[in-house]
Amino acid sequence: GDSVTQMEGPVTLSEEAFLTINCTYTATGYPSLFWYVQYPGEGLQLLLKATKADDKGSNKGFEATYRKETTSFHLEKGSVQVSDSAVYFCAHRGDDKIIFGKGTRLHILP
Amino acid sequence: EPEVTQTPSHQVTQMGQEVILRCVPISNHLYFYWYRQILGQKVEFLVSFYNNEISEKSEIFDDQFSVERPDGSNFTLKIRSTKLEDSAMYFCASSELGLAYNEQFFGPGTRLTVL
Repeated sequence: GDSVTQMEGPVTLSEEAFLTINCTYTATGYPSLFWYVQYPGEGLQLLLKATKADDKGSNKGFEATYRKETTSFHLEKGSVQVSDSAVYFCAHRGDDKIIFGKGTRLHILP
Repeated sequence: EPEVTQTPSHQVTQMGQEVILRCVPISNHLYFYWYRQILGQKVEFLVSFYNNEISEKSEIFDDQFSVERPDGSNFTLKIRSTKLEDSAMYFCASSELGLAYNEQFFGPGTRLTVL
């Protein structure tokens, strides 16, 4: 069935380091792909999205490119900040519901 | 900026009791959803709702669960007889349309603790 697999956390980086969080998906058809972020004590916020192959979603310095050939949607940021510490969820939506990955907890050290 | 709101933020209940979780979706949205997140695990889809009926539901959404839009603004999730394993964060979401590329806007969640 449809699923999303993302790298296990926690991921701990120093401020200004380069970030990659890997995400792959299985889905029927051509889903839209999303990254959601959950800051401590808060709900889910959409970080970025891509709706078709080769689209690049970007927001707050984060980027992810919809790679149909590798069924991937890896999240990247060139220079992370302490304020980026959160849990990041990769997700896809082919029809009504969103399928989420398990989430990757990110800790950024000052 | 319009947002989805949920009440209460935290609900504690005894096993076997009924609970109702409340959500106010964004006013011009037509599609409504409930998801849950057991502590430390992934967010799971429960149910979607459109035009006053359930569009899709997951295996988790058994006969103990029901949803309702009692008026023009609220969207509720009822659990008839809570179990310990119902303890989770419950998120409501809404979207303007039901298309795959439409964003679902999430509320801040209600943390349900079943004792």
